[in-house]
Amino acid sequence: DSGVTQTPKHLITATGQRVTLRCSPRSGDLSVYWYQQSLDQGLQFLIQYYNGEERAKGNILERFSAQQFPDLHSELNLSSLELGDSALYFCASSPRGAGGTGELFFGEGSRLTVL
Amino acid sequence: AQSVTQLGSHVSVSEGALVLLRCNYSSSVPPYLFWYVQYPNQGLQLLLKYTSAATLVKGINGFEAEFKKSETSFHLTKPSAHMSDAAEYFCAVRSFNQAGTALIFGKGTTLSVSS
Repeated sequence: DSGVTQTPKHLITATGQRVTLRCSPRSGDLSVYWYQQSLDQGLQFLIQYYNGEERAKGNILERFSAQQFPDLHSELNLSSLELGDSALYFCASSPRGAGGTGELFFGEGSRLTVL
Repeated sequence: AQSVTQLGSHVSVSEGALVLLRCNYSSSVPPYLFWYVQYPNQGLQLLLKYTSAATLVKGINGFEAEFKKSETSFHLTKPSAHMSDAAEYFCAVRSFNQAGTALIFGKGTTLSVSS
């Protein structure tokens, strides 16, 4: 158990819909990262938050957005869903923003299926 | 920009045989390198990390990796494979762009172990 909690574990929805994925980082970790894992693209970095502020963006679509709340949990919002958004979405956390050795602790993921 | 390339999307070995999973990196700064393992329906678990200390890094479950700057490689090895090692393995490098600290992952290598 990494200490990172993600909900829901599985989600099935239809094209055009909007979903929210939730992540609680390890106790004390200030940074949260979102990744998308799909068969064709592999593990893609989407976005990083540090202590409530956006720190870095990766390959995140404009239809996707995220935020980190004062209690440090984070939500990833996916809207106008398309079939190609079906994937496993991982949240990871780490203690710091720019310092430290950089290892990330991953949750077990939220599997999104868009029909 | 930092990147990693994993050579071989699928490696098959017999139980008791040597495991060798290849990873080459590209980085404009001294890299921080990582190997993660993903078991079916689980999140990613850190196997080991290189952060510019000893070039031979020992990790969990008997795995180790050697950092070779001249070859820009960070290959993962285990002297004797066990059935429980069957999983997907990811090499990653820490990104230093725009103050972000995300890990950039390779495409992954699936390890199969036969009896």
